[in-house]
Amino acid sequence: DARVTQTPRHKVTEMGQEVTMRCQPILGHNTVFWYRQTMMQGLELLAYFRNRAPLDDSGMPKDRFSAEMPDATLATLKIQPSEPRDSAVYFCASGSGQVANTGELFFGEGSRLTVL
Amino acid sequence: GEDVEQSLFLSVREGDSSVINCTYTDSSSTYLYWYKQEPGAGLQLLTYIFSNMDMKQDQRLTVLLNKKDKHLSLRIADTQTGDSAIYFCAERSSGFQKLVFGTGTRLLVSP
Repeated sequence: DARVTQTPRHKVTEMGQEVTMRCQPILGHNTVFWYRQTMMQGLELLAYFRNRAPLDDSGMPKDRFSAEMPDATLATLKIQPSEPRDSAVYFCASGSGQVANTGELFFGEGSRLTVL
Repeated sequence: GEDVEQSLFLSVREGDSSVINCTYTDSSSTYLYWYKQEPGAGLQLLTYIFSNMDMKQDQRLTVLLNKKDKHLSLRIADTQTGDSAIYFCAERSSGFQKLVFGTGTRLLVSP
């Protein structure tokens, strides 16, 4: 059963600490997205990759956030230093990236981050 | 830029029909989507419609697209308590697979 896997599912940390969230996309998918969900802002696109190359990270605060794909099976989202306003659920999603297809994205279950 | 708007909340009784509305701004959208999010879970695709279609029906779901007004709706017939969730409208912008999501509509179905 192919699915997107995210770790950790829950993370509580103190302000100023580094946080790293990981995502394993569905095997064979070549587009990966990071979204952040909060009550106030809804679902915001932070960054996305195609064939491991970053295509758009304009939604990400550059001073503290970084997103990478070290290889095709791993995407990471790092926050350093973390702040209370970063508290949210972070979703990773992957897709097959073919223009001809429907563009469906498959979402992980999310990483719930609480920064105290 | 792209923008997708939805009402925040809808409450219906079990057995009634639910209609969730969405407006978008990108006239070059190729596909429009409805995703469902249950508590504590990620989003799952419910249905989608290609921009050259006006309507799509899939069992209890009916999607209507008005391209002129850039309005999309999702109708759920015979709504059940298990349909209680957040429903997101999304558009696919031109180019790759980037999806822009609306704020989500929380549907509450009461017995």
